[in-house]
Amino acid sequence: GAVVSQHPSRVICKSGTSVKIECRSLDFQATTMFWYRQFPKQSLMLMATSNEGSKATYEQGVEKDKFLINHASLTLSTLTVTSAHPEDSSFYICSAADGQPQHFGDGTRLSIL
Amino acid sequence: EDKVVQSPLSLVVHEGDTVTLNCSYEVTNFRSLLWYKQEKKAPTFLFMLTSSGIEKKSGRLSSILDKKELSSILNITATQTGDSAIYLCAVGRITSGTYKYIFGTGTRLKVLA
Repeated sequence: GAVVSQHPSRVICKSGTSVKIECRSLDFQATTMFWYRQFPKQSLMLMATSNEGSKATYEQGVEKDKFLINHASLTLSTLTVTSAHPEDSSFYICSAADGQPQHFGDGTRLSIL
Repeated sequence: EDKVVQSPLSLVVHEGDTVTLNCSYEVTNFRSLLWYKQEKKAPTFLFMLTSSGIEKKSGRLSSILDKKELSSILNITATQTGDSAIYLCAVGRITSGTYKYIFGTGTRLKVLA
């Protein structure tokens, strides 16, 4: 149980493109979804927390207009990286939780050329 | 400022060795401590600890929380090459009614055949 699907697993695109990443909880309803960013050989950095039907809560230093989060249902949250630039290249991981613990998707490796 | 510190940062052992990984924290409104194993993709859940002194076991892995010392250890006995991974410690806390997790930097374990 507790399977979280994240799609796509890898994206390579040109600078200026907007990229949407989906996170789905497949066998449970996720009251909360989290979006993390991970740089090479570093730990997970929380970007934002989203609860179904309400606005996401962003961590300090994370641009809301740059990283748009939508949590439209109890099984789906999306992260859109708008007008992506090379510095946005990173590994993005979502997690979903209904209480504890959180369960992670497989991550999306984003490369902006 | 809340923080989670793991040690050592990296470790190289031979198959059959026993390893102990450490996680210490300074987090307000502590609720839980979780251990994850991260191989190539997203972290997989190992243990969740909420009470001091109660050991959790799963096969060759075990973990215990010490709330007095604000720390936890993860033990792996009779290590195998398949144990090679990054082990992440995360502390769950409540902030403004929202559950959030702070991750440590991880311990990179390499088990040699």
